[in-house]
Amino acid sequence: GQNIDQPTEMTATEGAIVQINCTYQTSGFNGLFWYQQHAGEAPTFLSYNVLDGLEEKGRFSSFLSRSKGYSYLLLKELQMKDSASYLCAVLDSNYQLIWGAGTKLIIKP
Amino acid sequence: EAQVTQNPRYLITVTGKKLTVTCSQNMNHEYMSWYRQDPGLGLRQIYYSMNVEVTDKGDVPEGYKVSRKEKRNFPLILESPSPNQTSLYFCASSDLERSSYNEQFFGPGTRLTVL
Repeated sequence: GQNIDQPTEMTATEGAIVQINCTYQTSGFNGLFWYQQHAGEAPTFLSYNVLDGLEEKGRFSSFLSRSKGYSYLLLKELQMKDSASYLCAVLDSNYQLIWGAGTKLIIKP
Repeated sequence: EAQVTQNPRYLITVTGKKLTVTCSQNMNHEYMSWYRQDPGLGLRQIYYSMNVEVTDKGDVPEGYKVSRKEKRNFPLILESPSPNQTSLYFCASSDLERSSYNEQFFGPGTRLTVL
């Protein structure tokens, strides 16, 4: 079966750095997405990785290791508005998105 | 403005009363999809469509129907809603091509309660 694992919840302090991990086992791999979702709102696209390595975009970076079936999202200089759920999703061999359950990130002052 | 719209945003209904949730996108995307989101379960795909008149079942299609008569519209139909279909529903679209990636754009969501 296909499976994506993320921690259910994480807590971090404003101004700090947090790393949200995602491990996956899927039928094929055509890329990995990270989305941000504020409570009651639609998910919004953050990043896409298809090759191994780190992709940096402002305060957010995403890393991928295909051999390990592993990715992480790194958030720097945390702000209160970063409190949200972060969803990891993998595009499988049929180009269907397989979603993780999401990680709820709580930012404390 | 490029967007995906859904209507209604909120709906409370009773068991067995047929309902339709509309979804429309103005980005000329070929791929459209419906998801439901429940606490602790993440996004689960109900149906998707790769193009006009082409629809396929996702992970949880039971109790739902869809149609894709036009490229921009992808309505979700619940013929006989039941309480276990109480959920938050999202429509999404993308210009998905097999040779490249494209992000999915989500509608604002429809919160459905079936009594």
